[in-house]
Amino acid sequence: GAGVSQSPSNKVTEKGKDVELRCDPISGHTALYWYRQSLGQGLEFLIYFQGNSAPDKSGLPSDRFSAERTGGSVSTLTIQRTQQEDSAVYLCASSLRSAGRGTEAFFGQGTRLTVV
Amino acid sequence: RKEVEQDPGPFNVPEGATVAFNCTYSNSASQSFFWYRQDCRKEPKLLMSVYSSGNEDGRFTAQLNRASQYISLLIRDSKLSDSATYLCVVNGGSGTYKYIFGTGTRLKVLA
Repeated sequence: GAGVSQSPSNKVTEKGKDVELRCDPISGHTALYWYRQSLGQGLEFLIYFQGNSAPDKSGLPSDRFSAERTGGSVSTLTIQRTQQEDSAVYLCASSLRSAGRGTEAFFGQGTRLTVV
Repeated sequence: RKEVEQDPGPFNVPEGATVAFNCTYSNSASQSFFWYRQDCRKEPKLLMSVYSSGNEDGRFTAQLNRASQYISLLIRDSKLSDSATYLCVVNGGSGTYKYIFGTGTRLKVLA
């Protein structure tokens, strides 16, 4: 029983470069979420997918951030022209149904992004 | 006002103590409530769901007060291994299907 898988686990990139973060949700989970967590801070919502659609992308901090999900499964979060303030742990979660229906979210181990 | 508010702590308690955490949420339409646990540099993991009738899982008891928009977690007979950050989580309410996390309450159980 595989859980949520994220890759890479760690990424160091130079300021101005683009990065792609990958999330493989639990098989059969229709909902997928991206959060980020800065050191010592809480979880900041970025975007939510239901299937391949993103009904709520209100948390994306700027147009440098984008995400997609294909085949109702794998999701990729792309950050263009990275800035130092983008440094954080990016967490992906999936749930069987959307959060409004009482199902819990399961998290991957996160990608620790460091922009130097 | 934050959507989910928690006392950040830290709560430093001796082994065997009983400790309680509280959480308030702002959206009266929220429907799902959870407590998650997060260890240092690890991902959050579900501790327990919170039901209107209250629920208990071993040493852990969760309560929900919808009228006051208040959630609590009680830990009895604290263990060293209970040391972690406890996150209060609610869904965003009717038509909003995201999980909203509080900033967490740090617990340190001391030998």
